[in-house]
Amino acid sequence: QVQLVESGGGVVQPGTSLRLSCTTSGFTFSSYGMHWVRQAPGKGLEWVAVIFYDGTTTYYRDSVKGRFTISRDDSKDTLYLQMNSLRAEDTAVYYCTKGGHFFGYYSHYWGQGTLVTVSS
Amino acid sequence: ETVMTQSPATLSVSPGERVTLSCRASQDVITNVAWYQQKPGQAPRLLMSGESTRATGIPDRFSGSGSGTEFTLTISSLQSDDFAIYYCQQYNNWPQTFGQGTKVEIK
Repeated sequence: QVQLVESGGGVVQPGTSLRLSCTTSGFTFSSYGMHWVRQAPGKGLEWVAVIFYDGTTTYYRDSVKGRFTISRDDSKDTLYLQMNSLRAEDTAVYYCTKGGHFFGYYSHYWGQGTLVTVSS
Repeated sequence: ETVMTQSPATLSVSPGERVTLSCRASQDVITNVAWYQQKPGQAPRLLMSGESTRATGIPDRFSGSGSGTEFTLTISSLQSDDFAIYYCQQYNNWPQTFGQGTKVEIK
């Protein structure tokens, strides 16, 4: 069965960096677009970034452009999110999701999430 | 970006009732809309995508309809397991965007 396990969350100070990882299994990782979606405490869902199946194309929401980088290592079936210059408003549970298509599309399967808290 | 507006924000219903949730897009998203269910403390789960395609394991009491800018998710007979928050999402344009959610609570 499809499994997505996020790691790397924690409490960090504003302006610092963090790298999230998402280890996957149960599907052909290299054939699917992958997303990061976040949810601030008590708030709704917010799409963050996507990387297409071949790693050649990425898209980001405006508020993280230039600060976050999504990447993938198909040899390890693992998705990453490098987060730099973190702000208090980046505080959220970050979910790794498997797209429904090689270009991503909807989020077919979700991990359980990893909490990132940005606070001084 | 495409704004997704869900209504109502909260719906109080009794088990067995028929429920209709609405989602409106600020521009044409064709049929590239998905619906998710989220229960407290859990990750969201995909219910529907595209032209009313139910995800694996989703019971047939859930159905979706709509195209262009108007979409609905219908639960034909609400079960106790269905009390949750429901989100719509458009994946036609970047950035993808979610609605703010509709909470379905017990009346």
